[in-house]
Amino acid sequence: AQSVTQLGSHVSVSEGALVLLRCNYSSSVPPYLFWYVQYPNQGLQLLLKYTSAATLVKGINGFEAEFKKSETSFHLTKPSAHMSDAAEYFCAVSEDQGGKLIFGQGTELSVKP
Amino acid sequence: DVKVTQSSRYLVKRTGEKVFLECVQDMDHENMFWYRQDPGLGLRLIYFSYDVKMKEKGDIPEGYSVSREKKERFSLILESASTNQTSMYLCASFPSGARVGNQPQHFGDGTRLSIL
Repeated sequence: AQSVTQLGSHVSVSEGALVLLRCNYSSSVPPYLFWYVQYPNQGLQLLLKYTSAATLVKGINGFEAEFKKSETSFHLTKPSAHMSDAAEYFCAVSEDQGGKLIFGQGTELSVKP
Repeated sequence: DVKVTQSSRYLVKRTGEKVFLECVQDMDHENMFWYRQDPGLGLRLIYFSYDVKMKEKGDIPEGYSVSREKKERFSLILESASTNQTSMYLCASFPSGARVGNQPQHFGDGTRLSIL
């Protein structure tokens, strides 16, 4: 069965610092992997999606993630945090490009001035 | 842009009531989903539908049912609401076949449901 684990329910960084949100997955088949962001009182918005075309995936708002099969990881990074990045971030896995998603527990990112 | 609209942002109901949550999408997507979001648990799939009148149980279907009479509308029904169903409910839609491409699941803004 597929599963997703996000390490750290809360992450706090200073403005301008590196953002690193961790995600590990388990899947019996080559997975499709996703990062979604949720701003307060809103639905989920796709940040980026891995579909096996390239291991380093660039997304919106300066975020990127690297698929590492040997580590079963798909960590999300951004070189320099901005106050507007404060939100909850969800990693998700699917066997079919996003039809049925299994989500991680979520990581709330806080950005300090 | 795909629009997924959930009929209510906030809803307060009493235990034992029958509750309907409505979701409408405007992109002719075949697949629609209902998730429940709780702190520390992420999103969990309740039910999904891949076509009109078709439905499949997700990971936590107990206490819920769904209806899909038209392609654009997917309803979640709480047959007899209980306090442990207080939660945020999110609807999503997704295309099938050749239209999948780089499409993500598109989410509505959610309905925050309180059962008193």
